[in-house]
Amino acid sequence: QSVLTQPPSISAAPGQKVTISCSGSSSNIGNNYVSWYQQLPGTAPKLLIYDNTKRPSGIPDRFSGSKSGTSVTLAITGLQTGDEADYYCGTWDSSLSADVFGTGTKVTVL
Amino acid sequence: QVQLVESGGGVVQPGRSLRLSCAASGFSFSNYGMHWVRQAPGRGLEWVAVIPSDGSSNYYADSVKGRFTVSRDNSKNTLYLQMNGLRLEDTAVYYCAKELMRGALRLDIWGQGTMVTVSS
Repeated sequence: QSVLTQPPSISAAPGQKVTISCSGSSSNIGNNYVSWYQQLPGTAPKLLIYDNTKRPSGIPDRFSGSKSGTSVTLAITGLQTGDEADYYCGTWDSSLSADVFGTGTKVTVL
Repeated sequence: QVQLVESGGGVVQPGRSLRLSCAASGFSFSNYGMHWVRQAPGRGLEWVAVIPSDGSSNYYADSVKGRFTVSRDNSKNTLYLQMNGLRLEDTAVYYCAKELMRGALRLDIWGQGTMVTVSS
């Protein structure tokens, strides 16, 4: 069981906005930056967001991140069929002295 | 181009050992920390280990601590994962990944993964 909790699944129609939450504690999210990853079926994960809100080059601004206390949120606007994927948050946990991933969220485009 | 290529996966019996390799190209390998991440069939991502650019202060997930060892050869631009005492639950695709910068799991480049199956 991960120390970072995400909803198992979220679904929405094309063009809609979805938000994915990632909840942790003061030993991880509360005192560290968080990254987000997208994993398309059968492929390696891809970095979407780092340092809570920053996008690597090539990531569209439809993807955005935010943080409040011990939780972070990934928002996807203008949902597209190509956004159907699993999404994971991740950060360092100082109590575990280990990096950790969230439980993962499957996004389905209806 | 920037690339990571894993190798060394396969089928192994419980209790045996296996060494994975990750060949890096297209960037200054010696300047970056490197990670191993695994994914069991149908499951989520699990972080396994990290080694900083100079090979010091390695960290491991509790699930592999004492059994797995991460190392690197900066002269060969290669990352390794020595896996001893393999268990059924170690069956997974193993990815190597490059750090954008240390901390907060900022992994900007990933390999394609290599499958490890532990089975009797």
